[in-house]
Amino acid sequence: GIQVEQSPPDLILQEGANSTLRCNFSDSVNNLQWFHQNPWGQLINLFYIPSGTKQNGRLSATTVATERYSLLYISSSQTTDSGVYFCAPVRDMRFGAGTRLTVKP
Amino acid sequence: EPEVTQTPSHQVTQMGQEVILRCVPISNHLYFYWYRQILGQKVEFLVSFYNNEISEKSEIFDDQFSVERPDGSNFTLKIRSTKLEDSAMYFCASSEGTQKLTFGAGSRLTVL
Repeated sequence: GIQVEQSPPDLILQEGANSTLRCNFSDSVNNLQWFHQNPWGQLINLFYIPSGTKQNGRLSATTVATERYSLLYISSSQTTDSGVYFCAPVRDMRFGAGTRLTVKP
Repeated sequence: EPEVTQTPSHQVTQMGQEVILRCVPISNHLYFYWYRQILGQKVEFLVSFYNNEISEKSEIFDDQFSVERPDGSNFTLKIRSTKLEDSAMYFCASSEGTQKLTFGAGSRLTVL
């Protein structure tokens, strides 16, 4: 299966800061999902993004399939953004190890 | 918005007992999945299911595990003889095609 590497593994931000999370793949992917696992353990779909860029409020994601990576941007972070962010190529649906984000007030 | 429903939310069982976790996928979805997450670790793929058969399974999904779609709405994961290391959160997911997955809230299994 495709190997998925996420970076950074941990990220601590002050509320209001911006951040970029990265997902690298060992092989080309033609579609990808980003998920947020909140502190209560729920897995929430953020983006289904085969390629290009999508925006949803303060979040946006970019996938460059030919370069084998995807980025998740969080702007003006809030404490409710805390949790673990996972990416998973949809063809394979193996998750990366995640980025644990902590946003401090 | 349509949801994937999982029951029970939490189950405690003795080692060696059989456990069945239940999932009701979104009604027009055709692909079904089980994942597990051991506390503090990443989400691990177990199995995918399509057209009444397993389409893919991971090395974790050994003979102790089985899946079934007993009727038109439920999708179940059975663990035949639970071990301590089976303690985890089990997530069910479904998708319309091989595209966006929607996850349930999870079933926490504690094996004593």
